[in-house]
Amino acid sequence: EDQVTQSPEALRLQEGESSSLNCSYTVSGLRGLFWYRQDPGKGPEFLFTLYSAGEEKEKERLKATLTKKESFLHITAPKPEDSATYLCAVRETSGSRLTFGEGTQLTVNP
Amino acid sequence: NAGVMQNPRHLVRRRGQEARLRCSPMKGHSHVYWYRQLPEEGLKFMVYLQKENIIDESGMPKERFSAEFPKEGPSILRIQQVVRGDSAAYFCASSPQARETQYFGPGTRLLVL
Repeated sequence: EDQVTQSPEALRLQEGESSSLNCSYTVSGLRGLFWYRQDPGKGPEFLFTLYSAGEEKEKERLKATLTKKESFLHITAPKPEDSATYLCAVRETSGSRLTFGEGTQLTVNP
Repeated sequence: NAGVMQNPRHLVRRRGQEARLRCSPMKGHSHVYWYRQLPEEGLKFMVYLQKENIIDESGMPKERFSAEFPKEGPSILRIQQVVRGDSAAYFCASSPQARETQYFGPGTRLLVL
């Protein structure tokens, strides 16, 4: 059974204080690792898809990386508007469903 | 380009009533997925549908829950005889093809009294 574990559960940063979120996964055959952002009361907003170890993608202050066992979401010089819950999900080779971790709740203080 | 639309956004039902949740996928998307987010828990897959077909319903409870995606109109997630444990946020996602990126709607928050 696919498993996704995200750490830490919650993270408080000062504005400008860079950090990383971790997503460890177990899947029989990976066909995509996904990062989403979820604001309170809203649906997940797509950020990145990574397909193979060594792949990296960037968007503004966010950079996602992938290894064979985990993914990192690096946040450089965060701003208060980056405060949200960040969700990691995997899709295995044989299916279309996403298996989600429980998320990291990020708070960036001004 | 409108995103995934869900309605209602909030739904209150008494125990034993029926709940109907609607999802209109993004334009050009023919694959629909339903997920449930229980309080303090992560998103859990329920069912995957294409037009007029259920592809994977392995995450859906066997009783009281059903889903459809007719040739015309939105996808419907139906919960019969709701119980308090059904209180959750229900999210719909869509993709243009199978195994492509899934884009989520704003969710329907169901409260069972």
